[in-house]
Amino acid sequence: GAVVSQHPSRVICKSGTSVKIECRSLDFQATTMFWYRQFPKQSLMLMATSNEGSKATYEQGVEKDKFLINHASLTLSTLTVTSAHPEDSSFYICSARDPWATNTEAFFGQGTRLTVV
Amino acid sequence: AQRVTQPEKLLSVFKGAPVELKCNYSYSGSPELFWYVQYSRQRLQLLLRHISRESIKGFTADLNKGETSFHLKKPFAQEEDSAMYYCALSYRGSTLGRLYFGRGTQLTVWP
Repeated sequence: GAVVSQHPSRVICKSGTSVKIECRSLDFQATTMFWYRQFPKQSLMLMATSNEGSKATYEQGVEKDKFLINHASLTLSTLTVTSAHPEDSSFYICSARDPWATNTEAFFGQGTRLTVV
Repeated sequence: AQRVTQPEKLLSVFKGAPVELKCNYSYSGSPELFWYVQYSRQRLQLLLRHISRESIKGFTADLNKGETSFHLKKPFAQEEDSAMYYCALSYRGSTLGRLYFGRGTQLTVWP
């Protein structure tokens, strides 16, 4: 099946700094990617939809200036957590679906564990 | 609006016992339902989708439009089934790949 890869898998940063998380579709081109946030033992909360070549669409309550999304190519979307604070510590997951596949499966990255100290 | 409800946050059964993870949805049109599973320290992966009507790892799920349910069932649970299970919904017209998730059910199968 298709593969979505995230990097890094784990990052620790100091409060006030920015962190960039990459999401790549390895064997297909994704015009749309999704960024989720997952709290321990809880559901995935969609943060934003990343659109190649255009602005991301943010869900209600998600600060677009805090979570910057760039989708500059058909295989790469980045999420930058700016001026990170301890409350931003979480597990961030991206997903994408192959637009040319006949099935409707969405593929997920392995996730990025962000810890802000 | 579309909504997915998984009433049980935690579910524990003994090995060999039947297991049923409940999922109810609300959507006025024709949804597409999925079950995703997340094993410990692994990524989220697709387990079942209703249009396939298949059995994966002994699990089955039937879409009941009358009851707006898509419960996941397995007649004999195994220890390796212990994981987090998410019910998810999509629909024609939604952004490609956009899923609406339930809160998840943590299944523990005791030996």
